[in-house]
Amino acid sequence: DVKVTQSSRYLVKRTGEKVFLECVQDMDHENMFWYRQDPGLGLRLIYFSYDVKMKEKGDIPEGYSVSREKKERFSLILESASTNQTSMYLCASSLLGQRYGYTFGSGTRLTVV
Amino acid sequence: AQSVTQPDIHITVSEGASLELRCNYSYGATPYLFWYVQSPGQGLQLLLKYFSGDTLVQGIKGFEAEFKRSQSSFNLRKPSVHWSDAAEYFCAVGESTNAGKSTFGDGTTLTVKP
Repeated sequence: DVKVTQSSRYLVKRTGEKVFLECVQDMDHENMFWYRQDPGLGLRLIYFSYDVKMKEKGDIPEGYSVSREKKERFSLILESASTNQTSMYLCASSLLGQRYGYTFGSGTRLTVV
Repeated sequence: AQSVTQPDIHITVSEGASLELRCNYSYGATPYLFWYVQSPGQGLQLLLKYFSGDTLVQGIKGFEAEFKRSQSSFNLRKPSVHWSDAAEYFCAVGESTNAGKSTFGDGTTLTVKP
């Protein structure tokens, strides 16, 4: 069964900490994405990558960075966590052109205290 | 810029009744359109997609959707709802580029009454 795996389901971090969210896919997909999901706001794109070492900003990149050193792994980094980054984070992957849609991970619920 | 509107935040239907969830999109070219479903605490699962051809598309779990270009709509339907269909539903429009970013609507929460 093909899948996108997010390393943690729940995380609690302190304000100012550097936080790493990891995502791994086993489908040889070119594209990978990080979204955050907040009640009433739907899904908002943070960053995406269409190739190894390539990255593009999404709609809300402030306070985040990403790393894609290998095709199967896409990491989201919160350089200095703040309480307004408390959210559900969803990783997704797709083939080039995403005609077949996204495959999502189960999400990481991050709480910053 | 592309955008998606799901006018209904919350819908309640009785089990066995029909369902229609509305979605309107804005996109400059021929869009890729998707419906996803999210059960509580889970990621999203693709229900169905449209990118060309027949405007009525069939998906998993008995869902279908109809693309109407003149109305910029892509409404999701199911003839008879089951209690297990209770979830949140998201419509999305995707760029027809290699990068293939998708923009999602805010979602519609479906409650199913026994």
